[in-house]
Amino acid sequence: EAQVTQNPRYLITVTGKKLTVTCSQNMNHEYMSWYRQDPGLGLRQIYYSMNVEVTDKGDVPEGYKVSRKEKRNFPLILESPSPNQTSLYFCASSSRQGSSPLHFGNGTRLTVT
Amino acid sequence: GENVEQHPSTLSVQEGDSAVIKCTYSDSASNYFPWYKQELGKRPQLIIDIRSNVGEKKDQRIAVTLNKTAKHFSLHITETQPEDSAVYFCAASTGGGNKLTFGTGTQLKVEL
Repeated sequence: EAQVTQNPRYLITVTGKKLTVTCSQNMNHEYMSWYRQDPGLGLRQIYYSMNVEVTDKGDVPEGYKVSRKEKRNFPLILESPSPNQTSLYFCASSSRQGSSPLHFGNGTRLTVT
Repeated sequence: GENVEQHPSTLSVQEGDSAVIKCTYSDSASNYFPWYKQELGKRPQLIIDIRSNVGEKKDQRIAVTLNKTAKHFSLHITETQPEDSAVYFCAASTGGGNKLTFGTGTQLKVEL
């Protein structure tokens, strides 16, 4: 089954404790992206990747890192999480950036206390 | 960069009525306009999209219209059903560009 898999689904952590949210897709998509969803703000892009070893900032990249060492994986790293990063995070992939449907993962609800 | 505004933020309709959600975009180079539906607790999923060389596209009860001159596009849902209740997001992209910019979402509630 074609899918984007994110883990974990729920995560509660404390300020400053490094964490990684994993994302993997099995559709051989070149384009992958991370979004955060906050009430009233919609989906805002954090980082995106057009291919292996090619990443770039989205609209809200501060406090986040990503890597794309393999085509299927695109982890999101929070080196020192803060409470304002409490949010619902979605990973997504598509076959062509910007002009083909995005396939979203199930989301990761992160709480930073 | 691109800015997408979406209205209304909430919309309540009676079952069987039509619902219209409107979006405006700022970048005249944008040429791809998808709409996503997000049911409660679930991931966003594409329901329809339109490209700038087309003025209207229809898929059963759902249609999207695009006015490039005015830089706005709309989602039309006819004969609404309770299962249409969800949050709907519009988005815009320059296609060959790198980003899909989303609107802030519309909470649609279809009442019996």
